[in-house]
Amino acid sequence: QVQLVQSGAEVKKPGASVKVSCQASQYSFTAYYLHWVRQAPGQGLEWMGWINPNSDATQYAQKFQGRVSMTCDTSINTAFMELSDLKSDDTAVYYCAKVRSIFTAVDAFNLWGQGTVVTVSS
Amino acid sequence: EIVLTQSPGTLSLSPGDRATLSCRASQGVASSSLAWYQQRPGQAPRLLIYGASSRATGISDRFSGSGSGTHFTLTISRLEPEDFAVYSCHHSGGSLGDTFGQGTKLELK
Repeated sequence: QVQLVQSGAEVKKPGASVKVSCQASQYSFTAYYLHWVRQAPGQGLEWMGWINPNSDATQYAQKFQGRVSMTCDTSINTAFMELSDLKSDDTAVYYCAKVRSIFTAVDAFNLWGQGTVVTVSS
Repeated sequence: EIVLTQSPGTLSLSPGDRATLSCRASQGVASSSLAWYQQRPGQAPRLLIYGASSRATGISDRFSGSGSGTHFTLTISRLEPEDFAVYSCHHSGGSLGDTFGQGTKLELK
């Protein structure tokens, strides 16, 4: 079925980097922008940015500029989000999410990955 | 960046009640850019409403969205036990970036 499957939980030390994957199934991977959203424990959703799998164009939230990198490998229908220089307040569930309509970043998210728990602790 | 403020923070109601949730934007936004999500504990968000008032595929007609400009509303008629969850609004901002409201928790009274 149409789905996004994310990589498993990670535990990292402060200052390290984490790379989360998001593999798409049963839809045209390059036709739909993918966004990344995170949710700290007990908090609301926080948008991190998007990638266009067709062109590798990206847009990142200002808060994460310089620390985040979003990439794609179209040969395996997989997107990646790497966050560097981790701090304790980066502890969160990280989600990838697909937009509803083709070839636009500006749209609601109609398909979400199951989430990846990233814990940052010394 | 546009800030979305949801109210109330928590809403306590009973099955069969009607729920009205508010999302206010710090400046006017296009209705086409406003969506609502439901999130149950331990689950990913689920799209309910897009374009301020269009129901997503498979969503019950008990869910409806309305509003324009700076004020948007999600209404859930005849609450069922599975509706008790957290609801978040979302603005697709294009070059301004996306933002989410802080969420409204709908809890059993």
